[in-house]
Amino acid sequence: SQQGEEDPQALSIQEGENATMNCSYKTSINNLQWYRQNSGRGLVHLILIRSNEREKHSGRLRVTLDTSKKSSSLLITASRAADTASYFCATAAGTYKYIFGTGTRLKVLA
Amino acid sequence: DAGVTQSPTHLIKTRGQQVTLRCSPKSGHDTVSWYQQALGQGPQFIFQYYEEEERQRGNFPDRFSGHQFPNYSSELNVNALLLGDSALYLCASSLSRGSTDTQYFGPGTRLTVL
Repeated sequence: SQQGEEDPQALSIQEGENATMNCSYKTSINNLQWYRQNSGRGLVHLILIRSNEREKHSGRLRVTLDTSKKSSSLLITASRAADTASYFCATAAGTYKYIFGTGTRLKVLA
Repeated sequence: DAGVTQSPTHLIKTRGQQVTLRCSPKSGHDTVSWYQQALGQGPQFIFQYYEEEERQRGNFPDRFSGHQFPNYSSELNVNALLLGDSALYLCASSLSRGSTDTQYFGPGTRLTVL
């Protein structure tokens, strides 16, 4: 079963704009991670945020976590065509597995 | 530093056959997890291996089995293939320092069952 649900399912923006995607989950978590996947290949780890953290930055990425609302957001600033990909959130809930959401397909138009 | 590698890249099988997929973890990692990703979906956890034992399993039938070797590499075996087993199979490695930690994924094996 899918724990996380990304929103929106698809997003199309112009190069240079910011892209925001959201993830909601159902149970308490230890941490949440965001991954990028290009063209149905392997997933690339972007950022990990732990349950006691509220915000984290990495380059053009900003992730927030609201455990009271069981939600997270990923902001990509100044998007580039190379950011075109599917983005997934994955939650870890005290076991040894991550549960992935359904993904947001981002398209950045040049 | 080599990342996670998987072989083969693509595979075509017919219903009822058996398949073995292989994964070598990132250098220094001791834990391997396997995921199945159907087209347009997120990855679904199959199982995780640590210290050559299956540590946790997702909701997959016994037709899916695995193995981890002393060098931490791993195999995923699927018996009696069904059309619905067609998917991208992803291997992820991590360093087990507790429960979960950052997982690094390989490029995947695309399995097509005809």
